[in-house]
Amino acid sequence: GAVVSQHPSRVICKSGTSVKIECRSLDFQATTMFWYRQFPKQSLMLMATSNEGSKATYEQGVEKDKFLINHASLTLSTLTVTSAHPEDSSFYICSALAGGGGTDTQYFGPGTRLTVL
Amino acid sequence: AQSVTQLGSHVSVSEGALVLLRCNYSSSVPPYLFWYVQYPNQGLQLLLKYTTGATLVKGINGFEAEFKKSETSFHLTKPSAHMSDAAEYFCAVYQLDGGSEKLVFGKGTKLTVNP
Repeated sequence: GAVVSQHPSRVICKSGTSVKIECRSLDFQATTMFWYRQFPKQSLMLMATSNEGSKATYEQGVEKDKFLINHASLTLSTLTVTSAHPEDSSFYICSALAGGGGTDTQYFGPGTRLTVL
Repeated sequence: AQSVTQLGSHVSVSEGALVLLRCNYSSSVPPYLFWYVQYPNQGLQLLLKYTTGATLVKGINGFEAEFKKSETSFHLTKPSAHMSDAAEYFCAVYQLDGGSEKLVFGKGTKLTVNP
């Protein structure tokens, strides 16, 4: 089946620094990738939709200048948390859409645990 | 807009017992529905999905779900629970909103399997 990887799996950083998280589709091309944020014991909240070669579409309430998304190739999307603060600590999960969209399956990465001190 | 409600944030069953996780949806159009499982500190894995056709959908690990339009439900079942089924389960509905496509997730149900 389709595999999506994320790197790093865990990161601890100081407040004010920036952190980059990579999401890769390993055995398929994904024109569309999604970034989610999951708080403890809660559901996934969609942050943004990343489309290869174009600007990401952010959900309402998500700061685009703080959460920079780049989808430079069909197999890689990156999320950069700029000037991270403790409230940004969370579990970030990406997914990649296999196929042409619509009801095609989203394949999820294993997640990245961000802790901001 | 579509939405999903999962009844019961926690469900506990004995090993070998029936598993029933409830999901109700709200949709103004024919829904596309999904069940995902999440193990601790991991991403989500697709269990099964309903798009069109047969309303009883079989998934991986012995799970199945039935789409019932009259009840706006898509409950997940497994005849006999196994210890390895302990995880968080998320129901989701596909939403097409203003040209953007996304999954809308329920709040999740944590399944505990007791020996």
